[in-house]
This record gives sequence, structure tokens and C-alpha cells, in this order.
Amino acid sequence: DQQVKQNSPSLSVQEGRISILNCDYTNSMFDYFLWYKKYPAEGPTFLISISSIKDKNEDGRFTVFLNKSAKHLSLHIVPSQPGDSAVYFCAAQIQGAQKLVFGQGTRLTINP
Amino acid sequence: EAGVVQSPRYKIIEKKQPVAFWCNPISGHNTLYWYRQNLGQGPELLIRYENEEAVDDSQLPKDRFSAERLKGVDSTLKIQPAELGDSAVYLCASSSSGTSVSHEQFFGPGTRLTVL
Repeated sequence: DQQVKQNSPSLSVQEGRISILNCDYTNSMFDYFLWYKKYPAEGPTFLISISSIKDKNEDGRFTVFLNKSAKHLSLHIVPSQPGDSAVYFCAAQIQGAQKLVFGQGTRLTINP
Repeated sequence: EAGVVQSPRYKIIEKKQPVAFWCNPISGHNTLYWYRQNLGQGPELLIRYENEEAVDDSQLPKDRFSAERLKGVDSTLKIQPAELGDSAVYLCASSSSGTSVSHEQFFGPGTRLTVL
């Protein structure tokens, strides 16, 4: 039972363009969502998050959008840079539960 | 400030052998998590500690997996005996006590286990 799904295993984007990574969830109890970034041989690092009371959160080049009715969120990176090449994980949480449920990840490759 | 430390980074064993992983969390972090990440998947929580107490071990396969955090600081995860399906990356993470916001989880680099 995959409660958090990232249906695109990989994505390739040209440097300078926008990268859009998508995530869907099934559990309507989730009320906090996060994106993590992972480089090879390193642990995941926190990137950006959004509470279910918002529909958008922006931090520099990174913006996360939440569509609760569709149970969908997306991460936008603009402009994309070579250092953004990594695996991106979407994660969801029921606030207070301190348990993250991760998606399968999307490998983003930024081409020069 | 040192991050979450894990050792070993890589481990290759034959099936039915025991194996142990060690984690030292960020100083002052009372909450410690062990995750397993299978190839092509996201991390899955195995166990969560608040200080010495395991408060969520519902996903830990208790027939062969065990964990301890005796002094509420570092932790050990053990598998005995290991099976082929245990091949994965085992991640340790930590966070400050009392936080309800999981983005404050800090992950170690993981231990990549290969069972032959």
C-alpha cells in the first residue's frame, strides 16, 4: 500500500529551465509534506516543506505547490542548475505523529 | 557541528550471518530513527526512539531484527540471521526532542548492506 507515490522515476531537464517534480498521496490524514534531496552515498537532506493549510511555499529557487483536493503536490525548481542533479523524495506526515512516509523518489538530471 | 555518524558505510555478508550497524546522532538530539531503503524505493521507518524508549517499532521485523539505545545516545541495529532480502541501505536519523515537525530529521550517510 503505497501511500505516497512519485510516478516518474527519472526526469531530465536542461540547465536554466524549470524542473517540475510531482507527488501524489492517498491518505487524507496527511497534513504536512516535505521534499528531501539525496546525493549518491549521502543521506537525504531536507529541502522544503508545506503545511496543508497552505497551497504554496517558496524558498529561493524552490517552490512547492499543494492541491489538497487532488491529493497532489509538486516541486518547482527554477532556474535549474547542474548541482540540482540528485534524487528527490516526497514525504508526508500526520503532524504530531513524527513518522514520515516517503515516495519512491525521482532522479533529476540537469543537462548543461 | 558533526552530523549523524554511521558505521560501517558498507557491509557484505553471507546469508544467515549476523550483522550490526551503529549510529551516533547529533549531540542533544533525543529522537533517533532507523530507516531501511530498498533499491529504487524511499526510506521506510523501522523504529523510532525517544531517549532510551522505543516508541514506534511497528515496522521492525522482530523475528530477526533488534535495536537498542541503552544510554539514550548512540544506537545499534542488529540483524540475526540475515537473509538475501535484507540487502538495502540502512539509514539513521535524529531530531530534537519535542518537535512535531519532521523536517527537522537529520539523516546519516547510511550503511549499504549486501547479503550474498
